[in-house]
Amino acid sequence: AQTVTQSQPEMSVQEAETVTLSCTYDTSESDYYLFWYKQPPSRQMILVIRQEAYKQQNATENRFSVNFQKAAKSFSLKISDSQLGDAAMYFCAYRRDTGNQFYFGTGTSLTVIP
Amino acid sequence: GAGVSQTPSNKVTEKGKYVELRCDPISGHTALYWYRQSLGQGPEFLIYFQGTGAADDSGLPNDRFFAVRPEGSVSTLKIQRTERGDSAMYLCASSLNSGAYTGELFFGEGSRLTVL
Repeated sequence: AQTVTQSQPEMSVQEAETVTLSCTYDTSESDYYLFWYKQPPSRQMILVIRQEAYKQQNATENRFSVNFQKAAKSFSLKISDSQLGDAAMYFCAYRRDTGNQFYFGTGTSLTVIP
Repeated sequence: GAGVSQTPSNKVTEKGKYVELRCDPISGHTALYWYRQSLGQGPEFLIYFQGTGAADDSGLPNDRFFAVRPEGSVSTLKIQRTERGDSAMYLCASSLNSGAYTGELFFGEGSRLTVL
């Protein structure tokens, strides 16, 4: 079974600074998708960014970017110019190319300090 | 509606009771997922529907849990003889899956179940 590991239960960052959240995963597949989801307190989970494993270029969405290291099975999320609204739980997720099941990590709670 | 709707948002019940949790996905989304999220944990897969059929129910923990999606839209997660360990947030997500393409998940706000 695929596993997704987030080794940082909690992280904090000063407003306007940059923070990196770590994620590693275990798979024997060569084609798959990786995701970062954000879950604000008492609100629904939303997609932050996705990465296709066959793409070497790291995905970027405005202030959010990833560092995808396929050989190392690492998929970290970098948040630049952190804002108070970035405070949330962040979940890393994996999905096989041909599958429909998403596997989630245990999450990282991000605090943004004003 | 514009997003995934889940009802009730909160449900408190007594051990041994029967519970139904409802999910109304985004219109046109063929795929529907149920996840369970315990405090401090990530979402845990329960069941996946493609259309009306359960394409993958491997995550259902035991036969007390059952889900249906009779018309390929609204889904109901049913839990019989609830136990205190069933207390969790139950998340529903829908996705526009078509053929080999699997889209991103759109989540509802969840139904928090508390079993006393």
